[in-house]
Amino acid sequence: AQTVTQSQPEMSVQEAETVTLSCTYDTSESDYYLFWYKQPPSRQMILVIRQEAYKQQNATENRFSVNFQKAAKSFSLKISDSQLGDAAMYFCAYRRNYGGSQGNLIFGKGTKLSVKP
Amino acid sequence: DAGITQSPRHKVTETGTPVTLRCHQTENHRYMYWYRQDPGHGLRLIHYSYGVKDTDKGEVSDGYSVSRSKTEDFLLTLESATSSQTSVYFCAISLGTGGPLGEDEQYFGPGTRLTVT
Repeated sequence: AQTVTQSQPEMSVQEAETVTLSCTYDTSESDYYLFWYKQPPSRQMILVIRQEAYKQQNATENRFSVNFQKAAKSFSLKISDSQLGDAAMYFCAYRRNYGGSQGNLIFGKGTKLSVKP
Repeated sequence: DAGITQSPRHKVTETGTPVTLRCHQTENHRYMYWYRQDPGHGLRLIHYSYGVKDTDKGEVSDGYSVSRSKTEDFLLTLESATSSQTSVYFCAISLGTGGPLGEDEQYFGPGTRLTVT
């Protein structure tokens, strides 16, 4: 069975600084997707960034980027120039690619990020 | 934002009573999911649907049933609520076309906070 582990229950960063959230996963599959979701106090789940396992290039979305190490099964999220609005729970998630049919997301337990002004 | 609504948004009920949560979408997406979120567990899949009247169990399906009689509605029923079912419930949808790369995203509803006393 696939598992996703986030080893940092809480993290803190100073506004305008950079922070990295860690995620490791376990799977025997070679074709899958990895995601980072943000959950602010409003509870809404917001997709931050997505990485396809078959792509070697790390995904980037504005201030958010990932470090995807497939062999090590590691998928960390880097937030640059942190803003107060980045304060939230961040969830790492895995989904197997069934090649046209859908698969459910498997989530880590989350990392609570605080941003200090 | 994807057109997903959940009702009710908050509910308090007593142990042993039946409860039905509704997820409604206006996107005509094929796949719909019910997750629950608990502290220390992240989000876990309860049931999902891949079409009208087509459903399957997820990781934590015991004590829950689902129905999907129309594309736009996915109902989650707790036949006899227990205190262990106190949680936040999220509905998610995805288009389900997949394509050769299985690229569908899952979009989440706002969540329902259920308290069983």
